[in-house]
Amino acid sequence: AQSVTQLDSQVPVFEEAPVELRCNYSSSVSVYLFWYVQYPNQGLQLLLKYLSGSTLVKGINGFEAEFNKSQTSFHLRKPSVHISDTAEYFCAVITTGGFKTIFGAGTRLFVKA
Amino acid sequence: SAVISQKPSRDICQRGTSLTIQCQVDSQVTMMFWYRQQPGQSLTLIATANQGSEATYESGFVIDKFPISRPNLTFSTLTVSNMSPEDSSIYLCSVERSASGEGDTQYFGPGTRLTVL
Repeated sequence: AQSVTQLDSQVPVFEEAPVELRCNYSSSVSVYLFWYVQYPNQGLQLLLKYLSGSTLVKGINGFEAEFNKSQTSFHLRKPSVHISDTAEYFCAVITTGGFKTIFGAGTRLFVKA
Repeated sequence: SAVISQKPSRDICQRGTSLTIQCQVDSQVTMMFWYRQQPGQSLTLIATANQGSEATYESGFVIDKFPISRPNLTFSTLTVSNMSPEDSSIYLCSVERSASGEGDTQYFGPGTRLTVL
């Protein structure tokens, strides 16, 4: 079975500061990895995904994530955050060839002025 | 990607009543998924709906409480039956898209925010 652990439930950060949201996963088979963002009172939006190839993946809104197979991690980063990045961020995995996506508990990013 | 719409976007309902949520996708998909997101929580899969067959429910969810219809490849409904305040959640519809060499990616609708009094 697969599982996803988001190590921080809340991350407060000042505007224009860098941020890293941590995600670790567990799986005995190959997986695809995703980050989704949920803005207040909205559905989930795909931020970025890792399927294969380069371990550094770039997504929308200036976010990027790095897949580290040895550490089974897929941490999300942004070099300079904006107030508008305040949202809930979910890390997720799906097994290659599978169809059920497993979500982490979420990390609430709160950007302060 | 996929464009997914849900109706209603939100509703406030009385205990004991039922609400049907509609999900419409901009193109044909094989699998549609229904999730529940309780306040401050992550997403929990309720069921997977394939066109032309009974929905497959996850542990803890039953058809009598959450009946699902999937009449065609672009539409599905989820009914929350005999509601109680514990059913207050966001209900999200999702589809899976698999482009060649791209793997399987899930896309989500905007959600239906349900409050049960």
